[in-house]
Amino acid sequence: KAGVTQTPRYLIKTRGQQVTLSCSPISGHRSVSWYQQTPGQGLQFLFEYFSETQRNKGNFPGRFSGRQFSNSRSEMNVSTLELGDSALYLCASSLSRDGETQYFGPGTRLLVL
Amino acid sequence: GQNIDQPTEMTATEGAIVQINCTYQTSGFNGLFWYQQHAGEAPTFLSYNVLDGLEEKGRFSSFLSRSKGYSYLLLKELQMKDSASYLCAPTSGTYKYIFGTGTRLKVLA
Repeated sequence: KAGVTQTPRYLIKTRGQQVTLSCSPISGHRSVSWYQQTPGQGLQFLFEYFSETQRNKGNFPGRFSGRQFSNSRSEMNVSTLELGDSALYLCASSLSRDGETQYFGPGTRLLVL
Repeated sequence: GQNIDQPTEMTATEGAIVQINCTYQTSGFNGLFWYQQHAGEAPTFLSYNVLDGLEEKGRFSSFLSRSKGYSYLLLKELQMKDSASYLCAPTSGTYKYIFGTGTRLKVLA
């Protein structure tokens, strides 16, 4: 079974631009969560989607948004990029329920200049 | 809210045993995950404890005390490849996953 895939793997943007990251979950997994990881803050929860609905979100500004498609693939968007948005963005998929093991993708490393 | 506390860094010698502690405060606690993350890589699942007690899985064991809000990960017969960050993550039934900042373990030859 193929693992979680994320595209692109690396991205360089400038302040003020917007970016869209993509995540394809493991086949059959319907829950997708997104995280931001920085050296100082560790792994921070952004939001979780299930059946095209956002079930919960973390404490990030509205510039961070996401969506999930009917095939469970998910995208997250960051508008008006700031230098502090430079981070590794990880997505993780699981079957459905809270408490299920999450399987992480390799991440997208975003650098904002 | 949730609060998770883990040591920032630990060092141990190859072949030794190390215990990584995690204390947490969360409402509606369901269970607790441990993940391993090597530098530059994604976290990978190690264990999930729901009930009190010790669960052993090869060289790795994980312990949970629900009443004390406490868990630990025990690594035996340490190998150089065990050098990584270990992340503690309690779940609370809200589909909001909170991870600790992780414990960076260095295994020395």
